[in-house]
Amino acid sequence: DTEVTQTPKHLVMGMTNKKSLKCEQHMGHRAMYWYKQKAKKPPELMFVYSYEKLSINESVPSRFSPECPNSSLLNLHLHALQPEDSALYLCASSQESDLRGTGELFFGEGSRLTVL
Amino acid sequence: SQQGEEDPQALSIQEGENATMNCSYKTSINNLQWYRQNSGRGLVHLILIRSNEREKHSGRLRVTLDTSKKSSSLLITASRAADTASYFCATELYNQGGKLIFGQGTELSVKP
Repeated sequence: DTEVTQTPKHLVMGMTNKKSLKCEQHMGHRAMYWYKQKAKKPPELMFVYSYEKLSINESVPSRFSPECPNSSLLNLHLHALQPEDSALYLCASSQESDLRGTGELFFGEGSRLTVL
Repeated sequence: SQQGEEDPQALSIQEGENATMNCSYKTSINNLQWYRQNSGRGLVHLILIRSNEREKHSGRLRVTLDTSKKSSSLLITASRAADTASYFCATELYNQGGKLIFGQGTELSVKP
């Protein structure tokens, strides 16, 4: 199984809502990632988890809260978002992530978020 | 500032022609990777080249890396309409494993 599964595929939320994006992989990978992608732009790194610990936070606003309950699951909790946070949120995984190198990332299809 | 810049931003060719995309970056890297993205979909890994490698092949893909010029190129030979997609280079920053930064991307259109 070489899939990364993201749910939901589409999410519409108001600025006062609390919602979560979910990501799951069963490849035994020990590193998981959240990227944000706006239309016609490259993916921007948000968070990296390595062995279930947060290893990289790219100065993401606190209204985005990541969680890694176990090595197969990655959540992104959303609260008090702004309309400019509307984007495609991509989850990815890799075998490992250490200073020497990471290797290829396997991406999910993304969750398209619209904030009204 | 951006780590990776790609050139051209858009490329339109006929089926059967070759497509070349270039990527430049600014700081030392562990490796450089190329990804493909169909519109609104997830990214698919194409090829990874390490900082001590100069050239790599995979099927119709050929990637070169020149660390002295901090640049890479992706060549797709004998293109097909199904190759139409956005192509991104991504650099993993030296000694910052996990920090994979994407370039601006090249939109490739292959006309039948």
